[in-house]
Amino acid sequence: DAMVIQNPRYQVTQFGKPVTLSCSQTLNHNVMYWYQQKSSQAPKLLFHYYDKDFNNEADTPDNFQSRRPNTSFCFLDIRSPGLGDAAMYLCATSRQRGGNTEAFFGQGTRLTVV
Amino acid sequence: AQSVTQPDIHITVSEGASLELRCNYSYGATPYLFWYVQSPGQGLQLLLKYFSGDTLVQGIKGFEAEFKRSQSSFNLRKPSVHWSDAAEYFCAVGPLGSSSNTGKLIFGQGTTLQVKP
Repeated sequence: DAMVIQNPRYQVTQFGKPVTLSCSQTLNHNVMYWYQQKSSQAPKLLFHYYDKDFNNEADTPDNFQSRRPNTSFCFLDIRSPGLGDAAMYLCATSRQRGGNTEAFFGQGTRLTVV
Repeated sequence: AQSVTQPDIHITVSEGASLELRCNYSYGATPYLFWYVQSPGQGLQLLLKYFSGDTLVQGIKGFEAEFKRSQSSFNLRKPSVHWSDAAEYFCAVGPLGSSSNTGKLIFGQGTTLQVKP
C-alpha cells in the first residue's frame, strides 16, 4: 500500500510556465520534505514542513515555493521553471524531525522543462 | 561540515557473488546512519539504519551493514547478489545537535550497482 504518493509521476512543463507537483501521505506524519535530485546526483533538500511550520534551506532558490494545506498534502510550486530545474523531485515524510527518524519517500515526479 | 563519501561510483558484480558498498562519513560525533536503495525512476527505499547498539545491522532484502567507529565507515554488504539488486544505493546520515532540528538527511553521491548474469 502506497504511503507517500506523488502526482504526477512525469511532468513536462514549458520554460517559464508555473508548475505544481503534489504529494500526499497516509502516515499522518508531522514532517514533510521536498528533495531535488538531478541526474546522477544525490538528493538535495529544498525545504520541509514541521506541521504548519515552513523551513527553507538557505540555498533553495526563491523560484521554489511550497504549501501544506493540511497534514496529508504538500505541494511544490516552481514559479518560473528554467532548464536547470529539470530533475526528479522526491517527497518524503517522517514522524518527527530528529536525525534518528526514518524518512519515507514517494516514488518521485520526474520534471522535464522544454 | 559533515559529509558522506561513497568512493565507488559504479560497481559491477556477477549474480551470486558477494557485494560490499563502501560509505565513509565525516562528522564530529557518531551520526545516525542509513542506507537507501533507488531503482530506476523510483523513489528511495530504506534498506537499514544504525542509531546505536550492535554495530552489525540487518536490513531488508538480505542486506546488512557494519558500523566501524574507528574507520568512520558504514559499509553495506550482501553475501549473494540477485539480478533484482541492480539499482543505485545511497548512504545517508541524519545529523546530531542543532542540525538535527531540520531532519535533513545528507546523502552520499550514490553507487550504481550493475549485476551480470
